This record gives sequence, C-alpha cells and structure tokens, in this order.
Amino acid sequence: IAGITQAPTSQILAAGRRMTLRCTQDMRHNAMYWYRQDLGLGLRLIHYSNTAGTTGKGEVPDGYSVSRANTDDFPLTLASAVPSQTSVYFCASSEGHQRGNEQFFGPGTRLTVL
Amino acid sequence: AQSVTQLDSQVPVFEEAPVELRCNYSSSVSVYLFWYVQYPNQGLQLLLKYLSGSTLVESINGFEAEFNKSQTSFHLRKPSVHISDTAEYFCAVSALSGGYQKVTFGTGTKLQVIP
Repeated sequence: IAGITQAPTSQILAAGRRMTLRCTQDMRHNAMYWYRQDLGLGLRLIHYSNTAGTTGKGEVPDGYSVSRANTDDFPLTLASAVPSQTSVYFCASSEGHQRGNEQFFGPGTRLTVL
Repeated sequence: AQSVTQLDSQVPVFEEAPVELRCNYSSSVSVYLFWYVQYPNQGLQLLLKYLSGSTLVESINGFEAEFNKSQTSFHLRKPSVHISDTAEYFCAVSALSGGYQKVTFGTGTKLQVIP
C-alpha cells in the first residue's frame, strides 16, 4: 500500500541520548516535512525538504537535524534529547512544495524523553 | 505571517444532528485553505481544500466548508453527523514562504458524536 511509514511507533528515551526517527515514503513525492504535535498547540513544523539533497528549517528546529540523501527517506535526529522534546512526531510528504499541495501524513512516532 | 484560530477545542454533538466547526485565519498574502481529519492514533488525512473558484467545497463523506474572504473564515459543516465522524479536525492555511509551502495548522477541534 502506497504511503508513508515511520519507525519506531513509540519510544521511551533517557535525556541526553541520541535518537533518529525514520520516515520513508513510496509515492515519489518531492517535498517532505517533519512536524511535532503537542496538546493545545496543534502541529508545528520542525524541518522540511523541497527535494532530495536540500533541507530547511521550520518553526521549531532547535535540537533537531534532518538529512535527505534520496527521494524516499527523511530521517529526523535528536542529537541529545531533552524532556521538552516529548511529543508525537509526524512525517509528511507532498508532490511539490508549491502552496496548495496536499500533504500526506505518516502514522506518527510517540516519543517520551525522561 | 499567517495564523489559524479554531476557537472550539471540543464539540459534543448527538448523532444525526448538524455540526459546525469554526475556523478563522489571518494572512498578509493570499492563501489556500484546508481541513484535515485525525482519527485516534493515526496521522492527519485531507478532508477538503479550497484553492480557487467556488467558495463552497465538499468532501466525499458529506462535510462541506465555505470560504468567506470578508470574514476570513473557512467553517466546516455537516448536516447530519455519524458516530464514525468522531475525530479531531484541523483547519490549515497554506502559503509560499521563504521557498517552501508553509502550512499553518490550527490547534484542532475534537468532535465527539454522542449516540
């Protein structure tokens, strides 16, 4: 089934540890995004990539890094996790980066940092 | 800058009753408007969108939304809700900003359909 997969589904992490959240899409979409979802705050963009080989910062990029080595994969890395990074993380993709493009979302990764 | 306001965090409604979920936005540039739905423990899915043309847009499952430029609103309505409509609904605006599609989401409205 075409779509976006994320791994792991959930994770409990000690503060200070490094963690990579994986995201893979099989729709050959050019643009990919990482959001975090927090109660009462909706979704906030962490990082984005308009096409393979390029990345950019969103609203809340501090403490996170991304790479886009190919079209399909867009991993998100927390170099040294802190409790404020406890959240549900969603990867999304769209065919292009022009406004009006529908975004397709993965099932999410629930991360708890203790 | 753009922002989205969903004033109602929760909306309880009886099955088969009508519902309206409110969304207001602000933007210094023209925007496209979306409603996404999130079922429990799932990612968001597009419900409907307004890009141009008719200000009334419809989804395949009976929801509709009307773009009102003068009131900067994009309220979501359904004349008769079903139990399966229980979910969280997010209004969003999309504009091109700094070279990427900037999508700003509202804080969401949880629709609870009561049997």
